[in-house]
Amino acid sequence: KQEVTQIPAALSVPEGENLVLNCSFTDSAIYNLQWFRQDPGKGLTSLLLIQSSQREQTSGRLNASLDKSSGRSTLYIAASQPGDSATYLCAVKSYQKVTFGIGTKLQVIP
Amino acid sequence: NAGVTQTPKFQVLKTGQSMTLQCAQDMNHEYMSWYRQDPGMGLRLIHYSVGAGITDQGEVPNGYNVSRSTTEDFPLRLLSAAPSQTSVYFCASSYSNRDRTYEQYFGPGTRLTVT
Repeated sequence: KQEVTQIPAALSVPEGENLVLNCSFTDSAIYNLQWFRQDPGKGLTSLLLIQSSQREQTSGRLNASLDKSSGRSTLYIAASQPGDSATYLCAVKSYQKVTFGIGTKLQVIP
Repeated sequence: NAGVTQTPKFQVLKTGQSMTLQCAQDMNHEYMSWYRQDPGMGLRLIHYSVGAGITDQGEVPNGYNVSRSTTEDFPLRLLSAAPSQTSVYFCASSYSNRDRTYEQYFGPGTRLTVT
C-alpha cells in the first residue's frame, strides 16, 4: 500500500527566504507526482507535475524534483512571499489510484 | 472552460437523510474521482471512474454510490447520511496525453455537515 509522508507538517519563514518542502513515498512504482497548493477553505490548485521518467520541473519560483528510487520529492520555493502562505500537498499516482500526503502548512511572515 | 464544478458549496443534513453531490467537467476528461478531506488524514479516494459507464471503489467507498452515464458528470450519492460523513468533498478530473499524463484538476469542494 502506497504511503505518502510530508515533512515538516508546518513551517514559518520570513519573507524572502528560500525554502524546501519534502515528500516521501513508499512504493516507487508510480506514474507521476503532483504538487498542489490549497488555500484555507478552497480547493486544490496544481503547481507542478513530474512524470516518473523526469527528474525535475520548474515553474517560476517553484522547482520540484523527483528521485523515484529513493521515494522522495522536494518542492523548492525561491524568494518566498506572503502570498505563498498556504498548505502544500503532494500526490503520487500509482496504477488507478492517487495517494495524497497530509500536507505542509506554510506561513511566510512579512 | 469552467473546469470542474461542484454543487452545492455547503450542505447540512440530518442523520439518515440522503442527497447527491454534483460534479461536472467540461474538459472532456476521461478520468473522474471523488475524495473526502478530513483534518489530519489528507485526501482519501471514495470512488473513481475511468470513463462513461465504468466506476470502481476507492479507499473509503462505504455509504456512497456513484454512476457515470456521461463523460461530463460524476454525481456522488450519500445513501443514509451519518455524522462520520461530515467532511469536505472534492471532485477531480484528469486526462492522459503524451506530455501531461494524468494531471488532476480539482473542483472547489462541497462542505457537508451531518447532524
